[in-house]
Amino acid sequence: GAGVSQTPSNKVTEKGKYVELRCDPISGHTALYWYRQSLGQGPEFLIYFQGTGAADDSGLPNDRFFAVRPEGSVSTLKIQRTERGDSAVYLCASSLVGGLGNIQYFGAGTRLSVL
Amino acid sequence: SQQGEEDPQALSIQEGENATMNCSYKTSINNLQWYRQNSGRGLVHLILIRSNEREKHSGRLRVTLDTSKKSSSLLITASRAADTASYFCATDEIQGAQKLVFGQGTRLTINP
Repeated sequence: GAGVSQTPSNKVTEKGKYVELRCDPISGHTALYWYRQSLGQGPEFLIYFQGTGAADDSGLPNDRFFAVRPEGSVSTLKIQRTERGDSAVYLCASSLVGGLGNIQYFGAGTRLSVL
Repeated sequence: SQQGEEDPQALSIQEGENATMNCSYKTSINNLQWYRQNSGRGLVHLILIRSNEREKHSGRLRVTLDTSKKSSSLLITASRAADTASYFCATDEIQGAQKLVFGQGTRLTINP
């Protein structure tokens, strides 16, 4: 596709449930990033993939959060035992490593609501 | 963690006026970028300035960077109603691999 695609656009779940959020990056972009944005705040980094491997997962808040990118394209962010504090917009971005200054291209995000 | 502060947090001006937003950051950087976010949408890259540059222009946008003060400003000239959005600065730190560290953003409202 022309841009970064994230599905679903909205996800409502109950506390304690498991959720998966999907990101389809721009074709040919080897770098993929997940960010989390709370209301009124800027995005906060979660994890960065270069190809299939997680090059930097320092932003994952705890071991309930996990992300994969098995074929170096689509990525899935997985959250186990969701808590109300996990409610936020989860943003995915992709970029060309070696491209001008690490300009990142963002999807529209998945709004996660944990009831 | 957030990189730093953006100032002001909210700005409301009349169409045609200029809008200035400021950003401060904490660490040494490679580049500083400004992004725009319309309500409920993803972020869109506006402009990038390298750490060895002091000023950059793109259309109605002017960005300055002062690495000695660890600060940047974004000026939007001749504002339009369509410029209404949130604006975020983002840095990639020299020691921070590829991740971007965002400020808290400025909510800009242009009144027709």
